Amino acid sequence: DIQMTQSPSSLSASVGDRVTITCRASQGINNFLAWFQQKPGKAPKSLIYAASSLQSGVPSKFSGSGSGTDFTLTISSLQPEDFATYYCQQYNSYPRTFGQGTKVEIK
Amino acid sequence: EVQLLESGGGLVQPGGSLRLSCAASGFTFSSYAMSWVRQAPGKGLEWVSTISGGGGSTYYADSVKGRFTISRDNSENTLYLQMNSLRDEDSAVYFCAKMAAASAGARASSDYWGQGTLVTVSS
Repeated sequence: DIQMTQSPSSLSASVGDRVTITCRASQGINNFLAWFQQKPGKAPKSLIYAASSLQSGVPSKFSGSGSGTDFTLTISSLQPEDFATYYCQQYNSYPRTFGQGTKVEIK
Repeated sequence: EVQLLESGGGLVQPGGSLRLSCAASGFTFSSYAMSWVRQAPGKGLEWVSTISGGGGSTYYADSVKGRFTISRDNSENTLYLQMNSLRDEDSAVYFCAKMAAASAGARASSDYWGQGTLVTVSS
């Protein structure tokens, strides 16, 4: 199974900050990597697919990059609605696996 | 507008069974693979199972293989998860998710998720 490791597990940031979350796969997954945002008590929301493609309706302050084993999610200017937990997921092979999540909190 | 509405969760004893449903609308249901993903209380997301748009191809996590069965009724636009021999560790919120391709074997991510249904396995 492919293990997905996110870092950091949590971070504190201020409104307006630029935030970067890293996701590393235990083996190469090409660009078959998705990012999701989840707020407490809510369903995950799809943000990015194919490592860098924005889902329809997702604001351009979110961006993704990477290929192979190392990927990043960047939020260019953190807003109050962006405080949430973010997950990466590989869909290169089964079983599909998620990172453990990165909780973005208000400083 | 894509909508996914899960139902069927509840409290069940260890060893018991439960069937979850996910009613879909706003897209051509039979043209897309569907998945179940679960989240134990306070924990992260865990992929459970995926089924192709036609229903002929399925994949399961090792943790549920042989106990859970994913299926779909394309005439009713509904996805199912039959859960048997339930264990304490199956307690979670179960989400259904629409995939971005018809084939379960395709390298496609999920694009829409339901709000989830809570399953609690406890005596």
